[in-house]
Amino acid sequence: LAKTTQPISMDSYEGQEVNITCSHNNIATNDYITWYQQFPSQGPRFIIQGYKTKVTNEVASLFIPADRKSSTLSLPRVSLSDTAVYYCLVGDVRETNAGKSTFGDGTTLTVKP
Amino acid sequence: DTEVTQTPKHLVMGMTNKKSLKCEQHMGHRAMYWYKQKAKKPPELMFVYSYEKLSINESVPSRFSPECPNSSLLNLHLHALQPEDSALYLCASSQAPTGREAQYFGPGTRLLVL
Repeated sequence: LAKTTQPISMDSYEGQEVNITCSHNNIATNDYITWYQQFPSQGPRFIIQGYKTKVTNEVASLFIPADRKSSTLSLPRVSLSDTAVYYCLVGDVRETNAGKSTFGDGTTLTVKP
Repeated sequence: DTEVTQTPKHLVMGMTNKKSLKCEQHMGHRAMYWYKQKAKKPPELMFVYSYEKLSINESVPSRFSPECPNSSLLNLHLHALQPEDSALYLCASSQAPTGREAQYFGPGTRLLVL
């Protein structure tokens, strides 16, 4: 499985756009990239997933360059409630690998008023 | 229903006790997972059940014993735990056992071993 590396922490202010980058240099052809958000004492919550280029949903965008060795989660106009830990995961699409994936160390985002 | 439920929310047990954690999902998902999470650390995968069969055991000590009675239920039986096993235990499920499927997590069981 590809190892992921993220910044340990980031600070932002309300209303700003936040970009969190994850490095996964040894990502394989069969791997998908998924991002999760976790609040204290809760389980992680799925945010967005992609394979290449750009994916957008109602809460975030995910940018993946052509070489796929990194990915950037973009949160538009953050609010105080976006303060959380954000995890990048790389997971094999093949059922023979049974959904095995490894969480990176996560990025603690703190949004200030 | 997109919810994964876990019981109990909190559990305190002695090192000689036997207890069980329970997890339930009604989304028709065919993969279920147990994770262990220590404070300020990422979740660590323990077990994966794929179509009700144990498909991954991440070298977890035998004092943790998973069980999947049916496609909606996942249990984790605990016996003779150590204080270092105190952690948040998270259950998750996904539609299929692949890295392409989003995992839905429960709120976790906070376990304290005395």
